[in-house]
Amino acid sequence: GAGVSQSPSNKVTEKGKDVELRCDPISGHTALYWYRQSLGQGLEFLIYFQGNSAPDKSGLPSDRFSAERTGGSVSTLTIQRTQQEDSAVYLCASSFRDREVQETQYFGPGTRLLVL
Amino acid sequence: AQTVTQSQPEMSVQEAETVTLSCTYDTSESNYYLFWYKQPPSRQMILVIRQEAYKQQNATENRFSVNFQKAAKSFSLKISDSQLGDTAMYFCAFISGSSNTGKLIFGQGTTLQVKP
Repeated sequence: GAGVSQSPSNKVTEKGKDVELRCDPISGHTALYWYRQSLGQGLEFLIYFQGNSAPDKSGLPSDRFSAERTGGSVSTLTIQRTQQEDSAVYLCASSFRDREVQETQYFGPGTRLLVL
Repeated sequence: AQTVTQSQPEMSVQEAETVTLSCTYDTSESNYYLFWYKQPPSRQMILVIRQEAYKQQNATENRFSVNFQKAAKSFSLKISDSQLGDTAMYFCAFISGSSNTGKLIFGQGTTLQVKP
C-alpha cells in the first residue's frame, strides 16, 4: 500500500513568515510522529499523536511550533514567524501503536525547509 | 537519559565486500527496541532491521545482520556482499519499551560509501 507522504517536498520562505507542513500517514496507522533533522542537532523528536491527541508537546522547540491531527489521519506542523535556525528537514512517521509493543515507525520523504 | 552513539561518521567499502557499522547505547532499562534505518540521498528513511532486547537471537534480513551484545550495550550492523545501492547514511535508533510517546532516539549517523 501507499507509504507516508509529506508535502511540500521543499519549502523556501522568508524569515518571519508562517509555514505549514503536511503529513499523510499510512492508512490505518493510529500513531503519527514528527521529527526534525538538522546538521547541528541530528534527528530530534518533536511530537507524537495517538489518534488526534498529542499527550506530550514538550519536544516542540518553541511556542512558535504547533501541530494538529484531524480525523485520526492527516497532520499539519505549523511554524510561525520562521527563523533561520528553523531550516531543517522535517520528517513524519507513522505506526500502528500497540500498548504492549513498540511498533516500527515508517517514515515519509520529509520536507526540506529553508528560511532565508 | 538514554543516548545512542555511532562513532564512525564515515565509512567506505568495496562492492561485494562486507562492512560493519558500530552503535553503542546507554540505558538502565531492560526492555527496549533497537533499529537500523538507512537514509539514501532521496531522504526517505527506510527500516533496515529491528531487534527486540528480550530476544537473544540476532536479527537478520537478507544481507543485513546485527550483532546484539546486551551486556555491552552494543548493536552493530553487518552488511554482506555490499551493493552500490547500499550507499546511504545509516542511523542506529533506540526506543524504550515503556515509552509513552514512541520517541525514537537516534545516533548521529554513519555515511557509508560503496565503491565499484
